Amino acid sequence: QVQLVASGGGVVQPGRSLRLSCAASGFTFSSYGMHWVRQAPGKGLEWVAVIPYDGSITFYSDSVKGRFTISRDNSKDTLYLQMDSLGVEDTGVYYCARQSTTANFDYWGQGTLVTVSS
Amino acid sequence: DIVMTQSPLSLSVTPGQPASISCRSTRSLLHSNRKTYLQWYLQKAGQPPRLLIYDVSERFSGVPERFSGSGSGTDFTLKISRVEAEDVGVYYCLQTLHLPFTFGPGTKVTIK
Repeated sequence: QVQLVASGGGVVQPGRSLRLSCAASGFTFSSYGMHWVRQAPGKGLEWVAVIPYDGSITFYSDSVKGRFTISRDNSKDTLYLQMDSLGVEDTGVYYCARQSTTANFDYWGQGTLVTVSS
Repeated sequence: DIVMTQSPLSLSVTPGQPASISCRSTRSLLHSNRKTYLQWYLQKAGQPPRLLIYDVSERFSGVPERFSGSGSGTDFTLKISRVEAEDVGVYYCLQTLHLPFTFGPGTKVTIK
């Protein structure tokens, strides 16, 4: 079955960096676009970034553009999110999600918690 | 950016009764391919969201028939024909036509 396992979250000081990973299994990872979506504590969902199946292009929300980098390694069936210059506003649970052929997010990882605090 | 709004933001429903949630977008979500890129997700406490409805009205695999979606252009509705206790959580609409993709603020559904 399709599984997405996010990892790499933790507590980090403002201004520091963190890299999240999302290990995929149960499907042909290299055939699907992938997304990161985040959720601040007690808040709603916010789309963060997308990368197509081949990693040829990337798009970001304005709130993370220039600071976050989405990437993928299809040989390892893994999605990444490199987060630099972290601020307290980046605190939250980060979910990876698969984009289906009909442009919806059909499978989600369980999320990994990022806490930015001094 | 497309802004998504939902109403109501909270809803308390008696089991067995219907429920309806509205979602509106600031731009049409109709693509030139005649598909409309509007989905509904349910997030239960402590869990990731899960897909309920895509393309306005298509139920995702395993989603009970009591869930239905309708609408067009900029106005959409999610209906639950007879609410069950397991339907509690926060419902989000999402548009995936234009980047950045945007979610509605969420509608919290509770049971009376």
